Formats: sequence, structure tokens, C-alpha cells
Amino acid sequence: DQQVKQNSPSLSVQEGRISILNCDYTNSMFDYFLWYKKYPAEGPTFLISISSIKDKNEDGRFTVFLNKSAKHLSLHIVPSQPGDSAVYFCAASELSGNEKLTFGTGTRLTIIP
Amino acid sequence: GAVVSQHPSWVICKSGTSVKIECRSLDFQATTMFWYRQFPKQSLMLMATSNEGSKATYEQGVEKDKFLINHASLTLSTLTVTSAHPEDSSFYICSGTSGRNRRFFGPGTRLTVL
Repeated sequence: DQQVKQNSPSLSVQEGRISILNCDYTNSMFDYFLWYKKYPAEGPTFLISISSIKDKNEDGRFTVFLNKSAKHLSLHIVPSQPGDSAVYFCAASELSGNEKLTFGTGTRLTIIP
Repeated sequence: GAVVSQHPSWVICKSGTSVKIECRSLDFQATTMFWYRQFPKQSLMLMATSNEGSKATYEQGVEKDKFLINHASLTLSTLTVTSAHPEDSSFYICSGTSGRNRRFFGPGTRLTVL
């Protein structure tokens, strides 16, 4: 049972344009969401997070939007740069406080120069 | 940012042998450590959660006698894959946390069982 889903396994975007990565979840107990970037054979690196009390969080070129009613979040990267090419995972955790993250299946983003 | 290291980064072993993977938090004290496994083109799947000085909590379907986790200190956790088989070949990643907003992942260990 995949509680966090990223329905697009891959995405290609022209350099300088906006990249939009989507994530859907089913567990209504999730209250904290994170995006990670991962290169092959490396561990994930944290990009940005959002609490369920917010609907938007921005950090430089990265913005995460949360739609709780739709159980949907998205990561916007603008402008996209070649170095952004990687696999992006969304992850979610519950209020229980056990710090356990549930990851999506990932989206491979390729930025075309 | 904080650093989590893993050793070894890549290990190849024969079927039936045991392999130990170390995870260290280098500049912070990880009150909780998580071990994940990632098969090719799949998500990171949580295997177990360990708190320093206590027994690990394993996720459903993960054999605790096969995947031994020791979290002896706030900076070191080990995962031992006992009697490894080819189906255990995977990418193992640890994560240390000292709070909800402070979670850092190791670079991963690629295990190949022949």
C-alpha cells in the first residue's frame, strides 16, 4: 500500500523553465512533508519542507505547495538549472512524533540545456 | 550541514556470509537512527528505527533476526545482514535525526550478494 505516490516517474524540462513535481498521499494523519533530491549511489539530501498548517513554503528557487483537501503537494523549481537533474522524492510523516518518514517512488527530473 | 557517513560504500560478498554496515553521525548526536533499503527504481523503504541504547523497532515484513541493528551510542549505528542471499542485494541508507527538522542521510551502501 503506497501511501505516498509520485505518479510521474520522469520529467524533462528546458533549462530556465519551471519544473513542477507532484506528489499525492492517502494518509490523513500525515502532517509534515519534505522533498529530497537524490543522485545515483548517494543518500538523499533535504531540499524543503512544509507543515500542514501552511499551504506554501519558499526557499530560493524552490517552492512547495500543499493542498490538504486534495492530499496533494507539489515542488516548483524556477528557473530550472542543469544541476537540478536528479531524482526527487517527496516524503511525509505523522504527528505521532516518531520521526518516521514514508517516501514516494521518486521522479527523475532531467533539465535540458 | 550535518554529516552522516556510512562504511563501506560498496560491498560484494558471497551468499551465506554476514555483512556489517556502519552509520556514523559525525557532528551531531543522533537520538534516533533509521535504516532504509532501496531497490532499483523503487522508493526508499524503511526497515527499522533505532533509539540509542534500546532495541530497534522493525517494520512489518523485515526479519529482525536477519537484519541486526545495534545503536550503541549517539553517533554510531550498525546494520548486520546475516546469512546474506542474492535477494538482499540492495542499496542500504541510514538516516540520523536529532529532531523533526534535523534529519540527515548517509551516502548509502551498495550490497551485492553473489
